[in-house]
Amino acid sequence: DAGVIQSPRHEVTEMGQEVTLRCKPISGHNSLFWYRQTMMRGLELLIYFNNNVPIDDSGMPEDRFSAKMPNASFSTLKIQPSEPRDSAVYFCASSLRGGLSNEQFFGPGTRLTVL
Amino acid sequence: RKEVEQDPGPFNVPEGATVAFNCTYSNSASQSFFWYRQDCRKEPKLLMSVYSSGNEDGRFTAQLNRASQYISLLIRDSKLSDSATYLCVVSRNTDKLIFGTGTRLQVFP
Repeated sequence: DAGVIQSPRHEVTEMGQEVTLRCKPISGHNSLFWYRQTMMRGLELLIYFNNNVPIDDSGMPEDRFSAKMPNASFSTLKIQPSEPRDSAVYFCASSLRGGLSNEQFFGPGTRLTVL
Repeated sequence: RKEVEQDPGPFNVPEGATVAFNCTYSNSASQSFFWYRQDCRKEPKLLMSVYSSGNEDGRFTAQLNRASQYISLLIRDSKLSDSATYLCVVSRNTDKLIFGTGTRLQVFP
């Protein structure tokens, strides 16, 4: 079975550009999470969705960040405009809410560098 | 103060050694506890859940002390393949996970 799929795996962009990160959760999972990981701050939850509905976006750093989940098999995280301090690894994770363990399965991440 | 605190390490131990990691959490409303493992430049993966009575999975033993708000992970008979970063994770509900910054373990031959 395919796990969580993220694209692109690496993104290098210049300050001010728009960045769009994509995620396909595991089929059948009904919760989706976006995280950001840096050396200084570790892994931080940005936003999560249940059944395609955003539940908690309190971790989104500022208005430059937005996330959508138009259907159960696709989500995007957009940064516009990007800044060098946005450089990090962005992980998407999915889980089956109400399942036996609620374990979150992570995608391989997108390594973002903003110059 | 961070909600989940861990010693970043690194812990450098020889193969076969026993090593223990500790983690403290600040929110007494935390209900669920986990250890995740993250290999270098890879995604985190669930290692084990932590139950109030303590639990064991092969060479790994996890313990929880709710009174002290303290979680531990013990690894016996360390293998080279155990080298990774171990993330302590707590949750106040079943959805939102709060991660520590991790403890790095390096097992050497």
